[in-house]
Amino acid sequence: EPEVTQTPSHQVTQMGQEVILRCVPISNHLYFYWYRQILGQKVEFLVSFYNNEISEKSEIFDDQFSVERPDGSNFTLKIRSTKLEDSAMYFCASRDPLGSNQPQHFGDGTRLSIL
Amino acid sequence: LAKTTQPISMDSYEGQEVNITCSHNNIATNDYITWYQQFPSQGPRFIIQGYKTKVTNEVASLFIPADRKSSTLSLPRVSLSDTAVYYCLVGEGRNTDKLIFGTGTRLQVFP
Repeated sequence: EPEVTQTPSHQVTQMGQEVILRCVPISNHLYFYWYRQILGQKVEFLVSFYNNEISEKSEIFDDQFSVERPDGSNFTLKIRSTKLEDSAMYFCASRDPLGSNQPQHFGDGTRLSIL
Repeated sequence: LAKTTQPISMDSYEGQEVNITCSHNNIATNDYITWYQQFPSQGPRFIIQGYKTKVTNEVASLFIPADRKSSTLSLPRVSLSDTAVYYCLVGEGRNTDKLIFGTGTRLQVFP
């Protein structure tokens, strides 16, 4: 069964450094998402992306965050200057374009630890 | 604004059937009901989705009454590996497909 893959599985970064989290969505999917989950808390929506532009973003997704689909297979989340509170699991998801009710499929996440 | 309400936790034993009910009183006409499962340190995994009546797949069944104000996820003959958090989600509106996760139901299966 096709799946969303994320790399790295764990990223440790010094506060203030830039970090790029990578995702390979399911191949025929055209809608892409990033979510995060701080340890012990709910899964939170960050951003949705379609047709090479952001469709929607949450309040969390401020100017320090950006997303990109640099080629036909990768979808990345960049945090420009990391803060301690950015420590979380970051999940990428993708969805089939055939119908708005299609479920989102998630990767197993990148654990981001900011020191 | 909470769109769904489900029990915080449930306990069961291996081999039993588990039913997790979710309330969604304000569900919109176009909304589907979707259930996800999440293991520790993993992403949410899609289990099942339905609009009305009953849906069944190889993993679970989803029962939706006619008024659609609630739904019940049924897991037949659970095993230890079904210990996880289960989330019930409905649509957030016409112009968005973002998912809003609640705290889910933490299911603990005992031997």
